[in-house]
Amino acid sequence: DTAVSQTPKYLVTQMGNDKSIKCEQNLGHDTMYWYKQDSKKFLKIMFSYNNKELIINETVPNRFSPKSPDKAHLNLHINSLELGDSAVYFCASSQGVSDRGVLGGYTFGSGTRLTVV
Amino acid sequence: AQSVTQLGSHVSVSEGALVLLRCNYSSSVPPYLFWYVQYPNQGLQLLLKYTSAATLVKGINGFEAEFKKSETSFHLTKPSAHMSDAAEYFCAVSSSASKIIFGSGTRLSIRP
Repeated sequence: DTAVSQTPKYLVTQMGNDKSIKCEQNLGHDTMYWYKQDSKKFLKIMFSYNNKELIINETVPNRFSPKSPDKAHLNLHINSLELGDSAVYFCASSQGVSDRGVLGGYTFGSGTRLTVV
Repeated sequence: AQSVTQLGSHVSVSEGALVLLRCNYSSSVPPYLFWYVQYPNQGLQLLLKYTSAATLVKGINGFEAEFKKSETSFHLTKPSAHMSDAAEYFCAVSSSASKIIFGSGTRLSIRP
């Protein structure tokens, strides 16, 4: 039973299309995240939700919109896809946050490889 | 502000040799520190974490790391490398902010 599951695993689409990536965690964690990993393996945070409330919104184009219907789900919708959006997108979850940082670290999903052509 | 620097984007060792992957962090408050491993086409897996208990932290697959406050370091070691250790390794820091900051990664190769 996968702890953090993302769908789809692979996504190939044309420029200008709109696409969504879904993420679900069954760990009972309060906080979920979206990260983007570029071709050089660099990981950059995009968004974070704590119990359905947006708590982190990094400098990300408005074409990216997260949505958390409940604390076990965090989806990412991308409008008007561009070539530069090609990357691996990772969902992650954590028990929560404290004044010292993220409790327990992250549990990651297996990633969604997005290719825009 | 918090940051993490991994020294060496690629490290190559012989099978059976010592593995040493270097990581230095910057944080204005006592941090949580992590090492993650990423195998090809997979997500990141937590190897070990430091949360201010023991400074020598043992993780999975025989890896360990030592927190040295005076050197602001959290280097990852394994006494004897195995072919299956070949992967990308990420050092990461979290302190006072609601997120984890990752280093740029070190690719570990194992020579037969």
